[in-house]
Amino acid sequence: ELKVEQNPLFLSMQEGKNYTIYCNYSTTSDRLYWYRQDPGKSLESLFVLLSNGAVKQEGRLMASLDTKARLSTLHITAAVHDLSATYFCAVDLALWAYFGNEKLTFGTGTRLTIIP
Amino acid sequence: EAQVTQNPRYLITVTGKKLTVTCSQNMNHEYMSWYRQDPGLGLRQIYYSMNVEVTDKGDVPEGYKVSRKEKRNFPLILESPSPNQTSLYFCASSRTGNYGYTFGSGTRLTVV
Repeated sequence: ELKVEQNPLFLSMQEGKNYTIYCNYSTTSDRLYWYRQDPGKSLESLFVLLSNGAVKQEGRLMASLDTKARLSTLHITAAVHDLSATYFCAVDLALWAYFGNEKLTFGTGTRLTIIP
Repeated sequence: EAQVTQNPRYLITVTGKKLTVTCSQNMNHEYMSWYRQDPGLGLRQIYYSMNVEVTDKGDVPEGYKVSRKEKRNFPLILESPSPNQTSLYFCASSRTGNYGYTFGSGTRLTVV
């Protein structure tokens, strides 16, 4: 069974600081996704990481994927208040292992609060 | 605008009263899925559909039904809701090849 663990679960940080959210998963997978969720809102896709070594950046957020270590990181640079949200990583099983259901397994999320 | 539309956004109902949450997508996606989100548990898959007339159970299917008669629609049916089905529900769709989901805006269901 695929398990996805995020840490930390809660993160409170000051504006201007850097920090990293970690996402570990238990089974071989080539694809990892990061989503953002604002309170009471839907999930917004941030990054899709499709291969080992993939790195993507959008503004102050950068995501990377190490499939050998089964680890993805979401790095926040010079945080601003607008980045306050809950961030989820999600993983799908390698197609050969679970053909058919393109299911994403989600971590429990990291609630990020940026303090002015 | 490409989107997944869920209705209703909020619903309060009583135990045992059948209800349907609708989901429609306009992106011609083959794959659709329902998730529920609960505090501390993240998102868990209820049911999924790979195409018209093809549906299957996810991780937590008990108490739910789905149908996929048309490609764009994937309703979630609760035949006899119970309080433990109080949750935030999301419908999602994607094109085959799993390049990530597009999520609906969510339905907050309360069963009393």
